[in-house]
Amino acid sequence: DGGITQSPKYLFRKEGQNVTLSCEQNLNHDAMYWYRQDPGQGLRLIYYSQIVNDFQKGDIAEGYSVSREKKESFPLTVTSAQKNPTAFYLCASSPPPVATNEKLFFGSGTQLSVL
Amino acid sequence: AQKITQTQPGMFVQEKEAVTLDCTYDTSDQSYGLFWYKQPSSGEMIFLIYQGSYDEQNATEGRYSLNFQKARKSANLVISASQLGDSAMYFCAMREVLGVRVSGNQFYFGTGTSLTVIP
Repeated sequence: DGGITQSPKYLFRKEGQNVTLSCEQNLNHDAMYWYRQDPGQGLRLIYYSQIVNDFQKGDIAEGYSVSREKKESFPLTVTSAQKNPTAFYLCASSPPPVATNEKLFFGSGTQLSVL
Repeated sequence: AQKITQTQPGMFVQEKEAVTLDCTYDTSDQSYGLFWYKQPSSGEMIFLIYQGSYDEQNATEGRYSLNFQKARKSANLVISASQLGDSAMYFCAMREVLGVRVSGNQFYFGTGTSLTVIP
């Protein structure tokens, strides 16, 4: 079945440590996104990528980095510069946004906590 | 200004009753899409229903319907015959299509409404 796989489901970060969240999709979608969700709040865009080897900052990119070396993969690194990383992270993908009805497909999320 | 506003942080509904979750949006575009997603406690986002700005009929998907009032810029979700499994967070979202240019950050989400279905 086609879908988006995020791993791990739970991740713990120590002070000063970089951690990487994995996101893989087999939907053949060009666009991929990373969102952060804090308790009781909506989704905030961290980074997005329209095509391979290209990505753009979203609203809250500071302290995060991404790469897009393959169409299927869009890993997110939470760096030590992100001082408040505890949150739920959602990866999503979509077909090219040429029509309004192209929806986002989501992974099951990664809960990141600080030790 | 907020692109998507959901003014109900929490809602309760009796099992088998209908409930309306409110959503208003802000855009100057003529072409846009409106979506509702459900997020159970497990965390995944489940697509429920879509309404296009040019659609004349309100969208329906099973027990879900979207009450689309374009002039008021509202896109309320109606869940009929509520079930215990409907207890979840519900997010309204909008997608703008910026002419022939594509922009990856054109999905906008509201802050969500937590729905609790009471037996």
